[in-house]
Amino acid sequence: DTEVTQTPKHLVMGMTNKKSLKCEQHMGHRAMYWYKQKAKKPPELMFVYSYEKLSINESVPSRFSPECPNSSLLNLHLHALQPEDSALYLCASSQGVGSYNSPLHFGNGTRLTVT
Amino acid sequence: SQQGEEDPQALSIQEGENATMNCSYKTSINNLQWYRQNSGRGLVHLILIRSNEREKHSGRLRVTLDTSKKSSSLLITASRAADTASYFCAPQGAQKLVFGQGTRLTINP
Repeated sequence: DTEVTQTPKHLVMGMTNKKSLKCEQHMGHRAMYWYKQKAKKPPELMFVYSYEKLSINESVPSRFSPECPNSSLLNLHLHALQPEDSALYLCASSQGVGSYNSPLHFGNGTRLTVT
Repeated sequence: SQQGEEDPQALSIQEGENATMNCSYKTSINNLQWYRQNSGRGLVHLILIRSNEREKHSGRLRVTLDTSKKSSSLLITASRAADTASYFCAPQGAQKLVFGQGTRLTINP
């Protein structure tokens, strides 16, 4: 079992819906990440939070809105998504970013289907 | 770019054989990491090798890093059916960890 918990495991939403993905870790990590993964492709970085502040946004469309309420929680708010946004959304955490030389701990992801 | 490029894209071997995967990258790095992903699951960290290290072992895993050639390799010895998965290298720069395309490894019983 992973130490990073993502909910829900599966989500089906229409293009006009608003939904949120949630991620939680209790390892005391100060960096948290959202990745998007399409079938048979590598995970693509979306956002990085370091010490609860957004440090990297990989030019993600505004229909994806991240939020880090505290050091243990990371949310991804979804609104007006397109069918091509269907993917596995992975959350990860690490002790720090970059020079910390710390590995990422991943959750098992949320499988999102946009209809 | 920082992204690693892996070779081969797919590898199928018999149980008990060794599997070798290669990764090349283009920019300077702080470290290079290897991850495993079973189908539909999250990624699991396997090993991290720092830029000043040349070789690292963890159980049946051996990773090498050649910063002059900007390349790394992952060797899995005495493979098992449970090793069937996708393996990704991830060179890490100042902030980002960017994953390569991955190698799909299949271990045949």
